[in-house]
Amino acid sequence: KAGVTQTPRYLIKTRGQQVTLSCSPISGHRSVSWYQQTPGQGLQFLFEYFSETQRNKGNFPGRFSGRQFSNSRSEMNVSTLELGDSALYLCASSDGGAYNEQFFGPGTRLTVL
Amino acid sequence: LAKTTQPISMDSYEGQEVNITCSHNNIATNDYITWYQQFPSQGPRFIIQGYKTKVTNEVASLFIPADRKSSTLSLPRVSLSDTAVYYCLVGLWSNDYKLSFGAGTTVTVRA
Repeated sequence: KAGVTQTPRYLIKTRGQQVTLSCSPISGHRSVSWYQQTPGQGLQFLFEYFSETQRNKGNFPGRFSGRQFSNSRSEMNVSTLELGDSALYLCASSDGGAYNEQFFGPGTRLTVL
Repeated sequence: LAKTTQPISMDSYEGQEVNITCSHNNIATNDYITWYQQFPSQGPRFIIQGYKTKVTNEVASLFIPADRKSSTLSLPRVSLSDTAVYYCLVGLWSNDYKLSFGAGTTVTVRA
């Protein structure tokens, strides 16, 4: 089985712009979760989607949003980018949910200038 | 404040056992405790998961006391390739439910 893939792997944006990141889960997995990883804050949970519905949400502002399609692929969008949004964004898929074994992708490295 | 805490770093030598404890006072009643390993430039990788008492697999053991307010990951006979950052992940209940990773424990194994 192919693993979790994320595109793009690297991205450079400027403040005020918006960005969309994509995640393709392992075939058959219905749960996709997104995490932000920074040296200062570590791994922080953004949200989880299961069968196209947002099931859990972390403590991030409304500028961070996501969606999941019928094929379980997921996108995450960040609007009005700030310097502090520079981070590694990780996507993970699971066949049951974020509280089960998750399989992580390699991440998208976002740099905001 | 609901929080997951673990030591920042631990040093060990090849062949020793490494034990990492994670504290999670506000763990949600029905949630599992999961541990992940992360190498530089990679996403985290699942190690082990448990709900209570003891769980063992081919790479690690997980010890969970009856009150479930902490958990201990045990890595037997570590090797140089076990040098990595180890994270615990639990669901916490305070005013609402939140998934929470610990800050990560950097384990350095020396020859």
